[in-house]
Amino acid sequence: QKEVEQNSGPLSVPEGAIASLNCTYSDRVSQSFFWYRQYSGKSPELIMSIYSNGDKEDGRFTAQLNKASQYVSLLIRDSQPSDSATYLCAVNNDFGNEKLTFGTGTRLTIIP
Amino acid sequence: DTGVSQDPRHKITKRGQNVTFRCDPISEHNRLYWYRQTLGQGPEFLTYFQNEAQLEKSRLLSDRFSAERPKGSFSTLEIQRTEQGDSAMYLCASSEGGLFTLHFGNGTRLTVT
Repeated sequence: QKEVEQNSGPLSVPEGAIASLNCTYSDRVSQSFFWYRQYSGKSPELIMSIYSNGDKEDGRFTAQLNKASQYVSLLIRDSQPSDSATYLCAVNNDFGNEKLTFGTGTRLTIIP
Repeated sequence: DTGVSQDPRHKITKRGQNVTFRCDPISEHNRLYWYRQTLGQGPEFLTYFQNEAQLEKSRLLSDRFSAERPKGSFSTLEIQRTEQGDSAMYLCASSEGGLFTLHFGNGTRLTVT
């Protein structure tokens, strides 16, 4: 079982709709969770972080964390064509280490 | 703030050669990370520095790989006796406040022929 699992997609969403991206992780001691956006040929860019159960909102983005189910998700409201990218979920177990474990990413395409 | 700078952007080398990459972090960022990313995969952690001290090193980092950060400023990643499996994008990241403020550079793409 992979440590961090994501559906590779592609996920196609109409412009203006809500895009929902999901991630599961295997290590129950994981403490901090991150969503990165990576455009083709570019480096990853941090868009959201979350470490408490529940929702965290930042503009059009909402991260949701459920530690009991070992599940973290990212919702993108009012999807724009510029949101088309690969979204990477990353996890840290926070035992005084600085290592992020990434999933393989979900490729999202917003259809105009 | 000019961002994290990596050099070179691309490197093509023959199998068995040594290569060295450089990373200049954002000014005054005391934490520096190296990751490796292959096509269709997420980045894989290689190593982490706080100032000049190398505090974490992945098991992925075989003895052919070495990283340094003299004086706690720029960092170099050297790969000796390159193999075709080393072909990847090598990403450097820096941070002032840990993982919640990580900034990646544009990477060095290595192709081993």
